[in-house]
Formats: sequence, C-alpha cells, structure tokens
Amino acid sequence: DAKTTQPTSMDCAEGRAANLPCNHSTISGNEYVYWYRQIHSQGPQYIIHGLKNNETNEMASLIITEDRKSSTLILPHATLRDTAVYYCIAWGGNKLTFGTGTQLKVEL
Amino acid sequence: DVKVTQSSRYLVKRTGEKVFLECVQDMDHENMFWYRQDPGLGLRLIYFSYDVKMKEKGDIPEGYSVSREKKERFSLILESASTNQTSMYLCASSFGWGSNQPQHFGDGTRLSIL
Repeated sequence: DAKTTQPTSMDCAEGRAANLPCNHSTISGNEYVYWYRQIHSQGPQYIIHGLKNNETNEMASLIITEDRKSSTLILPHATLRDTAVYYCIAWGGNKLTFGTGTQLKVEL
Repeated sequence: DVKVTQSSRYLVKRTGEKVFLECVQDMDHENMFWYRQDPGLGLRLIYFSYDVKMKEKGDIPEGYSVSREKKERFSLILESASTNQTSMYLCASSFGWGSNQPQHFGDGTRLSIL
C-alpha cells in the first residue's frame, strides 16, 4: 500500500470546520483512500473512504484531488468529541496498517 | 450502524493462564480479524477468518489461536499467557474482500498479563 504523509498535529476551534490533509503521491489505481480516527483508549472508528470522486457521509466529507496524490478530510462543524488521532490510509485490500496519523485537538 | 462488540474493555490475567477474548458483530459480515496495537509498532494482524470454521494466520500468530463456530462470533485464545502479550487487542469485521470493503473495529480490550 502507498505511503501516506500527514501533519503530526492540528488544532481547531469548536464549531469551525476541521480540514485534515493527507499526501499519497505514490497511490496506485486500485487503492482507496480511507480515513479512520482513534479516540484515546478506544478502537479505531471508520469515517469514510473513496477512490476518485469526492465523498460525503454523516460524519465527514472526503475531497480527493484529480491526480489522486492528495486528499482532505473535512469535519464540517468540529466538536470537542472530535478530538482524536486521524489516520489516512491508501489501501489496496491487503494488510491494513496505520501510520502515526494527525492528532486533532478541538478547543473551545 | 455496524456494531462490533468485544467482551471486555479491560482484563488482567496472570502468566501461564489460558485467556479468551470474545468478539461479536451484528452485521452478518463474512470476514473477522484480530489485531494487537502497541505503541511504536502500530497495528499488527494476528489471525483472520473469512467464513465459519475457517481461519488464516496473520503476521504474528505465535502464542495465539482462534475459533469461529458461528458467523457472528470470533474468539481469540492466548494458550498460555505471557507478559509480552500485554497489549490492546482489537477485533474487526468486514462484509467482503477488496479495497472497497471497510473494516469496522470494536472498542478494544486492554489486556495486562502479570
């Protein structure tokens, strides 16, 4: 699976949109972009995934660039409960691995 | 919503004990997985199952076994617990194979072996 690069940490004010970037410049055609998050001491929570097109669900939106080399996860109205480590994964269906992710801290 | 339920959030056992970790999913998923997660080592696959009574070794199966007698239930067994098996254990399930089938995780069991 392609390597992904994410910022180590980000801060966001509560109620504002949180935009989490991810680079995956070596992604191959069959690899989907996945986002998970993990709140301290809990299991990873699936958020969203996509191949080429932008995706939206009740939790977030995923924007994938046309060349698929990067993507952005958008939490439209961040709350304190969104404080977590967010993992971006380029996954081809083989071994699922998480990198170090982005620690998002949502503050008042 | 997919629900993957692990029987215990926290568990403390002694060296040499046989330990059972249970996982149940309610979405009729074909595939189930057991991982362990350790600081600095990330997520490591122990075993997975793609059907009832079927199992495949992952990357670190030594010291573990699994059982899948019913589709919704996947058990991880530590045959003789050792201190190096102290870890966070995560169960996951997915509907099918392929990169368009997300894995859904339980809340994890934090296991301490004394």
